[in-house]
Amino acid sequence: AQSVTQLDSQVPVFEEAPVELRCNYSSSVSVYLFWYVQYPNQGLQLLLKYLSGSTLVKGINGFEAEFNKSQTSFHLRKPSVHISDTAEYFCAVSDSDDSWGKFQFGAGTQVVVTP
Amino acid sequence: DTGVSQDPRHKITKRGQNVTFRCDPISEHNRLYWYRQTLGQGPEFLTYFQNEAQLEKSRLLSDRFSAERPKGSFSTLEIQRTEQGDSAMYLCASSLTGDANTGELFFGEGSRLTVL
Repeated sequence: AQSVTQLDSQVPVFEEAPVELRCNYSSSVSVYLFWYVQYPNQGLQLLLKYLSGSTLVKGINGFEAEFNKSQTSFHLRKPSVHISDTAEYFCAVSDSDDSWGKFQFGAGTQVVVTP
Repeated sequence: DTGVSQDPRHKITKRGQNVTFRCDPISEHNRLYWYRQTLGQGPEFLTYFQNEAQLEKSRLLSDRFSAERPKGSFSTLEIQRTEQGDSAMYLCASSLTGDANTGELFFGEGSRLTVL
């Protein structure tokens, strides 16, 4: 079974500074990778996904992530954060077979943006 | 609003009582998932349906938990004889399969259960 590790439980960052959230997953033949964001009192929203193709994927709100198969990583980055990016971010992986959708989520990284 | 909706949003109950949560997926989605999220953790998979068939259940889903999707549309998750350890956010998600699959799960806002 897949496992996902988000190395940082909380990341404080100043407004307009860059941020990187780290995600590593256990090895598998073929996986789909996702980053979801959860704002306070809201449901999970998809930021971006990697299914196949280019290893650099761009998502909403200026976020991007790079799939690195050899390092089994899918780190999320944003070059300049806003106060509104304060939220919890979850990395998720799904095996790309018929049981996809049975996501394994990381424990989450809380991003706190301060002025 | 055509997103995934869940009801109730909050439920407080006493230990030993039964509770039921309802999920209405996006109408054309044939897959429906239940996840559980406890404080400080990511969501954990519980079970999923393809149309009305329940295809997989996690070991987390004890005998006190039962989920149904009788007509392949809405789903219910019932917890019998609730325990304090059942306190969590119960999340529902839906998706398409086959060629229409975008690889994404669409989540509802969740039903928060507090067992006293």
